[in-house]
Amino acid sequence: ILNVEQSPQSLHVQEGDSTNFTCSFPSSNFYALHWYRWETAKSPEALFVMTLNGDEKKKGRISATLNTKEGYSYLYIKGSQPEDSATYLCAFHFNKFYFGSGTKLNVKP
Amino acid sequence: GAGVSQSPSNKVTEKGKDVELRCDPISGHTALYWYRQRLGQGLEFLIYFQGNSAPDKSGLPSDRFSAERTGESVSTLTIQRTQQEDSAVYLCASSTDATGPYEQYFGPGTRLTVT
Repeated sequence: ILNVEQSPQSLHVQEGDSTNFTCSFPSSNFYALHWYRWETAKSPEALFVMTLNGDEKKKGRISATLNTKEGYSYLYIKGSQPEDSATYLCAFHFNKFYFGSGTKLNVKP
Repeated sequence: GAGVSQSPSNKVTEKGKDVELRCDPISGHTALYWYRQRLGQGLEFLIYFQGNSAPDKSGLPSDRFSAERTGESVSTLTIQRTQQEDSAVYLCASSTDATGPYEQYFGPGTRLTVT
């Protein structure tokens, strides 16, 4: 069983704060690491697919980094907005997908 | 174009009854996945289909669970003799090719409550 850990489990920030959370995964047999955003009452939506060690992806105010050698990825949100409130999931992709339990972000206006 | 759709969106059933959940993937997507999320837990892989290959059923929690897919179209997940621990959100996802690091597109899920 592959273990994918996400921390923190939940996070409450004020509008305008920048924040980051972590996804830890096995450092061997790496293939890809996916980040998803899951808003309440909606479907999970893909943010990033990361495949290369040292890779950095950016989409608007959200960015992610990847370290395959030590087995972690960080997701950063700059200047959080209430619409960023969601659960952020990472998934380790090796044959199939192994999801973490997510970080639930609540951004207060 | 149309995304992944699932039906029903909500299902309440009595313990011991059978339920059938449906997933319509995005047209042309060869890979289809079923997951579930029980309260307070992460997404749990159940089964995936890739084209005409034999499905990977390694995540099915018991023999009460089964799934079928006709070609590269609709899939149904069947749970027989439901138990309270089956209560969860069941998500379906599809992607263009399970062998590449392609993103998955998720449906809205079916919330199953077993009373």
